[in-house]
Amino acid sequence: AAGVIQSPRHLIKEKRETATLKCYPIPRHDTVYWYQQGPGQDPQFLISFYEKMQSDKGSIPDRFSAQQFSDYHSELNMSSLELGDSALYFCASSLGLIDNEQFFGPGTRLTVL
Amino acid sequence: GENVEQHPSTLSVQEGDSAVIKCTYSDSASNYFPWYKQELGKRPQLIIDIRSNVGEKKDQRIAVTLNKTAKHFSLHITETQPEDSAVYFCAATGGSQGNLIFGKGTKLSVKP
Repeated sequence: AAGVIQSPRHLIKEKRETATLKCYPIPRHDTVYWYQQGPGQDPQFLISFYEKMQSDKGSIPDRFSAQQFSDYHSELNMSSLELGDSALYFCASSLGLIDNEQFFGPGTRLTVL
Repeated sequence: GENVEQHPSTLSVQEGDSAVIKCTYSDSASNYFPWYKQELGKRPQLIIDIRSNVGEKKDQRIAVTLNKTAKHFSLHITETQPEDSAVYFCAATGGSQGNLIFGKGTKLSVKP
């Protein structure tokens, strides 16, 4: 069965650079969530989209932005990168918005030097 | 907003023993409570979930109980095996749009 695809899987950037993370949800899934997981920490909700519209916002810095495109894939844009942005970034998709199973992608490991 | 607390933070058991992890949540409007298993550097994988209209759910060696009145839910793993060793996260839906709020995680070690 098709799963959530994330690219790239690994990314190394310098401070103050920009990064773009991509997420391709499971076919027919209309909802995408982005989570950030620091080392030894729990995943923290960043932002979500339903039917190409932003549906909720969590602890996402103003330096980050995201959108969901017409084909339902989503991109997380990160600017002015800081050392503290180094983390695993997971995208999850679900069918529908409320109380439905979220399927996680393999994650993108971002390292900021 | 929703807050999820999880205990214990580490749990060590002998192979074949049972393991219990407990979570409490704060938002009485939360209706969906999944449990994830995460191995180092890998994605969280759903192992079982429960919705607020159900008090208990079982899948082979794994069971989850939910007490909505007390706002707590628990994961029970019986006949533990070394491959059960991982970090387990409980979660609850936060906000009105389905995003998950996670507990801090429990590192389970199953000793052969």
